[in-house]
Amino acid sequence: QVQLQQWGAGLLKPSETLSLICAVYGGSFSGYYWSWIRQPPGKGLEWIGEINQSGSTNYNPSLKSRVTISVDVSKNQFFLKLSSLTAADTAVYYCARGGEGQLGYNWFDPWGQGTLVTVSS
Amino acid sequence: DIQMTQSPSSLSASVGDRVTITCRASQSISSYLNWYQQKLGKAPKLLIYTASSLQSGVPLRFSGSGSGTDFTLTISSLQPEDFATYFCQQSYSTPLTFGGGTKVEIK
Repeated sequence: QVQLQQWGAGLLKPSETLSLICAVYGGSFSGYYWSWIRQPPGKGLEWIGEINQSGSTNYNPSLKSRVTISVDVSKNQFFLKLSSLTAADTAVYYCARGGEGQLGYNWFDPWGQGTLVTVSS
Repeated sequence: DIQMTQSPSSLSASVGDRVTITCRASQSISSYLNWYQQKLGKAPKLLIYTASSLQSGVPLRFSGSGSGTDFTLTISSLQPEDFATYFCQQSYSTPLTFGGGTKVEIK
């Protein structure tokens, strides 16, 4: 059974860069896209972007200029960096397994436990 | 971007009630619509994928239907553990987008 465990700094200052790690346990890393999704407190969900084992990425255009998603297949880990943080980036950030690359069949399951990232001076 | 609109944004219901949540897409997304349940402080959990396929382990009281732009999630007999927020998500095109959520509360 695949499980995702994530971690990273939870309190950052404006203009700093968010860095999160997601580790995949108990299943195949290859053959899937791996996503980052965020949820501001009390609000809805926003897809940030995804990566596969080859390093092919897709980003949400709303964040593309500030986002980098990367992968380390040897460790079954993928990473999120979000730069030039503002208070609007305060959210719970989730990692999740997506589809196998065929558009349309891209749902998220399972999810990591979530990391609350607060941006405040 | 494809906009996903859920209604209602919240509802109150009693145990045993039949509950229906609607999700509308701003353009046709065929059957590429997924539903999630999120409990307070927890990650979302996949319930339904491609509009009507029940994820393994999800109770049979959950069902999904629809295609094109209009979709529904139905809980046939609401149970105490079903009080949560429900989100739809389109997987027709990137950026992948979610509905605003429907909070199901105890009446």
